Amino acid sequence: DSGVTQTPKHLITATGQRVTLRCSPRSGDLSVYWYQQSLDQGLQFLIQYYNGEERAKGNILERFSAQQFPDLHSELNLSSLELGDSALYFCASSAQSGGPQHFGDGTRLSIL
Amino acid sequence: EDKVVQSPLSLVVHEGDTVTLNCSYEVTNFRSLLWYKQEKKAPTFLFMLTSSGIEKKSGRLSSILDKKELSSILNITATQTGDSAIYLCAVEPGNQFYFGTGTSLTVIP
Repeated sequence: DSGVTQTPKHLITATGQRVTLRCSPRSGDLSVYWYQQSLDQGLQFLIQYYNGEERAKGNILERFSAQQFPDLHSELNLSSLELGDSALYFCASSAQSGGPQHFGDGTRLSIL
Repeated sequence: EDKVVQSPLSLVVHEGDTVTLNCSYEVTNFRSLLWYKQEKKAPTFLFMLTSSGIEKKSGRLSSILDKKELSSILNITATQTGDSAIYLCAVEPGNQFYFGTGTSLTVIP
């Protein structure tokens, strides 16, 4: 058990909809990272927050947004969903910015 | 364009064999290289290598960073069926995190 909690585990929705994925980092960790893992593209970095502030940004679509709250949990919002957004979304956390990350079990998003 | 390439894509060995997994990278402002093991779900951290720590070892696993060749290897000796997994290499150039597509290792009893 990594100590990182992601909810929900599975999410099935339709194109055009909006969903919110939730992540609670490991106790004491200040950084939260979001990744998208699909079969053809591997693990893609989306965005990082450190102690409530956006720290780094990867290939995150404009339809996606994230935030980290004062209690350090984070949410990833995906809107105007398309079939290609179907993937496994991982959250990870680390004590500081960068370095070894501890991953949650992911949220599997299926778009029908 | 920054990128991380792992080879081979997949590998099938017998228990007791030794394997070497490769990771090469092209990034600006290299900061660290990390190895992860991914079994059914979440990747788990194995090693972090930096300019000041180019060799790490833990039990049957070891890793070396070659700063000149911009690459790293992960060695697993006396493989066991529990080593079957996808091994991911990640490079951190400071404000990004790039993962390779991984090497799928299958260890046959």
